[in-house]
Amino acid sequence: AQSVAQPEDQVNVAEGNPLTVKCTYSVSGNPYLFWYVQYPNRGLQFLLKYITGDNLVKGSYGFEAEFNKSQTSFHLKKPSALVSDSALYFCAVRPYYGGATNKLIFGTGTLLAVQP
Amino acid sequence: NAGVTQTPKFRILKIGQSMTLQCAQDMNHNYMYWYRQDPGMGLKLIYYSVGAGITDKGEVPNGYNVSRSTTEDFPLRLELAAPSQTSVYFCASSYPEGSGRDNEQFFGPGTRLTVL
Repeated sequence: AQSVAQPEDQVNVAEGNPLTVKCTYSVSGNPYLFWYVQYPNRGLQFLLKYITGDNLVKGSYGFEAEFNKSQTSFHLKKPSALVSDSALYFCAVRPYYGGATNKLIFGTGTLLAVQP
Repeated sequence: NAGVTQTPKFRILKIGQSMTLQCAQDMNHNYMYWYRQDPGMGLKLIYYSVGAGITDKGEVPNGYNVSRSTTEDFPLRLELAAPSQTSVYFCASSYPEGSGRDNEQFFGPGTRLTVL
């Protein structure tokens, strides 16, 4: 079955320290990979995506993610965390079905808490 | 450009009641989606549409119905509300697959529904 796993329900980090939010996936074919962020009582906002090319992709608010095909991972990273980064982060994958579809499979989300 | 809008923001229903969650987008997106978000479960796809007059079931369609009479609107209907339908509902839209701009989904702010 095609799936996305976010192994950590919550990640705690001190402001100014680097952060990593983990994501692994299991899909057939070449995946499209995404990170979304959700602030309290808001909809999801797109952060970044990997389609093809350079394994390190950069996105909004200083976030970046590294695609690792051999480990089937797409971890989200930031060199220096801000308190304002505290939010719920979702990893998502778009499997290649070979048909007209743009559906995403979402992970269960990781709550990032950045302490001042 | 309002993006994706959803109404209402909040609603409390009694068991057996029916209601329609409204969703509209002004970005001329062909693809639209309905998700539900439950704590610790991520987002689950309820229904999706690839254009006016075309809809299909997602992962968790039971208890819901949709219609797509125009490109802009994609309402979600609950016919006989049940406590299991207590959730936060998100509508999203995207450009069609293959358009070169199809990789990002844009989300509305959500509707928080409680069934008592």
